Amino acid sequence: AQSVTQLDSQVPVFEEAPVELRCNYSSSVSVYLFWYVQYPNQGLQLLLKYLSGSTLVKSINGFEAEFNKSQTSFHLRKPSVHISDTAEYFCAVSETDSWGKLQFGAGTQVVVTP
Amino acid sequence: DAGVTQSPTHLIKTRGQHVTLRCSPISGHKSVSWYQQVLGQGPQFIFQYYEKEERGRGNFPDRFSARQFPNYSSELNVNALLLGDSALYLCASTVQGSTEAFFGQGTRLTVV
Repeated sequence: AQSVTQLDSQVPVFEEAPVELRCNYSSSVSVYLFWYVQYPNQGLQLLLKYLSGSTLVKSINGFEAEFNKSQTSFHLRKPSVHISDTAEYFCAVSETDSWGKLQFGAGTQVVVTP
Repeated sequence: DAGVTQSPTHLIKTRGQHVTLRCSPISGHKSVSWYQQVLGQGPQFIFQYYEKEERGRGNFPDRFSARQFPNYSSELNVNALLLGDSALYLCASTVQGSTEAFFGQGTRLTVV
């Protein structure tokens, strides 16, 4: 069994400031790691994922996350946020042989203010 | 191409009633998963279906059931509704073996 812990339920941040969302996981087997974003009244959209290889993964809209196996973490960062980044962000894991089944954290609400 | 479509978008039911939620996957996707997202929490896995067979089940009571049709669309059924079943129900479709799940907009169920 796996578990995902998102350490912050809400993160207020000013526009153009950096943001970091923390995610820790536990699992007895190999896992894939994901960050999903949910805008108000919408479904989830995949932001980025770590499957293997380079531990630093990047999205097309400036987010990046780093897989740290020793600390079992997958923190999400963005150096400069926009108002449009206001959303809820979910960290998720899936077992490498269990495609299609995701275990999510409780989410972090990011509120960007001018 | 249409994304994952879910219907209805919202509905209100009374305790004890039954509800059916529907999901149409992306064309070519043969796997559908269902998740329950209670307000303020992350989505919780309910079921996964692949090629009309149940491939996985989360920790939900037997009041929850699902099925997948030959066209790969899916239904989630919940019997004897409780107030605690109020949630956003999300459907996700996946290509076999893929790590990427595509989510629909969800169905907001309110039980009164």
